[in-house]
Amino acid sequence: RKEVEQDPGPFNVPEGATVAFNCTYSNSASQSFFWYRQDCRKEPKLLMSVYSSGNEDGRFTAQLNRASQYISLLIRDSKLSDSATYLCVVIRTQTGANNLFFGTGTRLTVIP
Amino acid sequence: NAGVTQTPKFRVLKTGQSMTLLCAQDMNHEYMYWYRQDPGMGLRLIHYSVGEGTTAKGEVPDGYNVSRLKKQNFLLGLESAAPSQTSVYFCASRPDRGRQNGELFFGEGSRLTVL
Repeated sequence: RKEVEQDPGPFNVPEGATVAFNCTYSNSASQSFFWYRQDCRKEPKLLMSVYSSGNEDGRFTAQLNRASQYISLLIRDSKLSDSATYLCVVIRTQTGANNLFFGTGTRLTVIP
Repeated sequence: NAGVTQTPKFRVLKTGQSMTLLCAQDMNHEYMYWYRQDPGMGLRLIHYSVGEGTTAKGEVPDGYNVSRLKKQNFLLGLESAAPSQTSVYFCASRPDRGRQNGELFFGEGSRLTVL
């Protein structure tokens, strides 16, 4: 089973819509969680961290459900500029630098 | 502030040729990584380094070698390129702020085609 799994999409939504993505992780020792954004033919960039109590950054809300081992990203009032692939990243509590695990990404297209 | 710089950005190779991808970061980060990204596969870790003079294997190390002779540079080598190594390669760095730090800084990527 993959460490981190995401629905690849694509999600095609109209401007102004609300869209949500989920990401599941397999290892209960996972401690920290993040969402990255990757534009077409560009490098991934950190979008936001995911805190246990949930957190919001403008139109973006991230939530964590440890019992069911998933994190979610909610985008409200979608903009054309939100079109991108969203990558889920999980950090496990293990020694060394090799403790980040990426999902394969969920592709979002916002349609005019 | 350049961040993470990869060279070259594009390269076409013939099967069996060798080449080196260079990654340079000016943020004094301890950790550096090389990933490859293929459609439907996501980012897969090739090799990584926790500091100058150290390297370690990631998920898909076969066919690649790396070196980190200077803290700011992380080189990825292909000794004998194969078509299966056609991919987009991303270098990334990460400060050593504890194991829970999830912010990776990526280079712009290097698109490699092996014919």
